[in-house]
Amino acid sequence: AQSVAQPEDQVNVAEGNPLTVKCTYSVSGNPYLFWYVQYPNRGLQFLLKYITGDNLVKGSYGFEAEFNKSQTSFHLKKPSALVSDSALYFCAVRDRPGNTPLVFGKGTRLSVIA
Amino acid sequence: EPEVTQTPSHQVTQMGQEVILRCVPISNHLYFYWYRQILGQKVEFLVSFYNNEISEKSEIFDDQFSVERPDGSNFTLKIRSTKLEDSAMYFCASSEARTGGTEAFFGQGTRLTVV
Repeated sequence: AQSVAQPEDQVNVAEGNPLTVKCTYSVSGNPYLFWYVQYPNRGLQFLLKYITGDNLVKGSYGFEAEFNKSQTSFHLKKPSALVSDSALYFCAVRDRPGNTPLVFGKGTRLSVIA
Repeated sequence: EPEVTQTPSHQVTQMGQEVILRCVPISNHLYFYWYRQILGQKVEFLVSFYNNEISEKSEIFDDQFSVERPDGSNFTLKIRSTKLEDSAMYFCASSEARTGGTEAFFGQGTRLTVV
């Protein structure tokens, strides 16, 4: 069965510093990996995805993520954090093509301090 | 930008009552989903729907739950007899295609409170 682990409940970073939100996964096949962000009282917004190809994928709002097959990781990164990046971040995975469920991690709360 | 819309944003209901949560998926999307998020916990899959039938459902999606696409635009989740443990944020999502790499777009959610 597929699973996602986000080992940190909370990440604190100063504004302007780089940020990393960690995600590791477990799947039986090739992974399809996603990051979503949830702002307070809002739904889940798609940030970026990895399907195949280049291990570094770029997404919305300056975020990027690096796929590492040997470490089964898909960490979310941003070179310079903004206070407005403060939100709840979810990593998700599918291991099958088609209309199959996303399996989410438990989420990591990012707090960017001015 | 097209978006998934959900109504109501918040619903309070008494235990044992039926509730219907409504969603309007993005217009050219063909695949529809319901997920839920109990406060402080992870987002969990409930059901997926395509071509007017359920594609897949989780163990959470028992006989108390049903989904329907009553017309060309709405997608509903019905809970027949609500329980306290049904209190959660319910998210509707839709996606355009059936490839595994296709992202799902989520609505704002309906916060269901069962009292």
